[in-house]
Amino acid sequence: QVQLVQSGAEVKKPGASVKVSCKASGYTFTRHAMHWVRQAPGQSLEWVAWINGDNDNTKYSQKLQGRVAITRDTPATTVYLELTSLRSEDTAVYYCARFCSSMACNGGYDVWGQGTMVTVSS
Amino acid sequence: DIQMTQSPSSLSASVGDRVTITCRASQTIMKFLNWYQQKPGEAPKLLIYAASNLQSGVPSRFSGSGSGTEFTLTISSLQPEDFATYYCQQSYSMYSFGQGTNLEIK
Repeated sequence: QVQLVQSGAEVKKPGASVKVSCKASGYTFTRHAMHWVRQAPGQSLEWVAWINGDNDNTKYSQKLQGRVAITRDTPATTVYLELTSLRSEDTAVYYCARFCSSMACNGGYDVWGQGTMVTVSS
Repeated sequence: DIQMTQSPSSLSASVGDRVTITCRASQTIMKFLNWYQQKPGEAPKLLIYAASNLQSGVPSRFSGSGSGTEFTLTISSLQPEDFATYYCQQSYSMYSFGQGTNLEIK
């Protein structure tokens, strides 16, 4: 079945970096863009970044531009999100989500990872 | 950036009630509007895409409408499993979410 499996929880100190992974399976990896969305405790959802399915086009949240990078390993069907210069306000659950561009669910995120808790604390 | 505003922020209702949640965009987004349901400790789940299309597997008591800047999510007859937080999201220009509507049992 189609699924996205993310790496485990991370605890980092302010100023450090974190790299979270998202392993896709059950579908053709290159046919869908992958997005990252984060959710701070008790807060709404915040879009972070996306990477295209079949090339290395990327787009980032203006708020995080310069501190965030999204990459992928196509043979490993895995997408990565790296966030540098971590601050306490980066504490959140980070989700990867498959972007649906087909008419079946056009423009929505139809498959989500289970989430990775990233805690930034001294 | 396009701002998405949901109302109400929280809502108390009973099983069997009809409820409506509204989402307004700060500029036109045509029909590039999605609705998600999120339960505590879980990832969001896509309910409605492109404003009014029911995602596969989602019960027909959920429906969406609207275009331009104003959209609604309606649940025709609340079931116990529907008590959750609901988010709208625009995908017209970059991607942004509403602040959420927490639907609680009365």
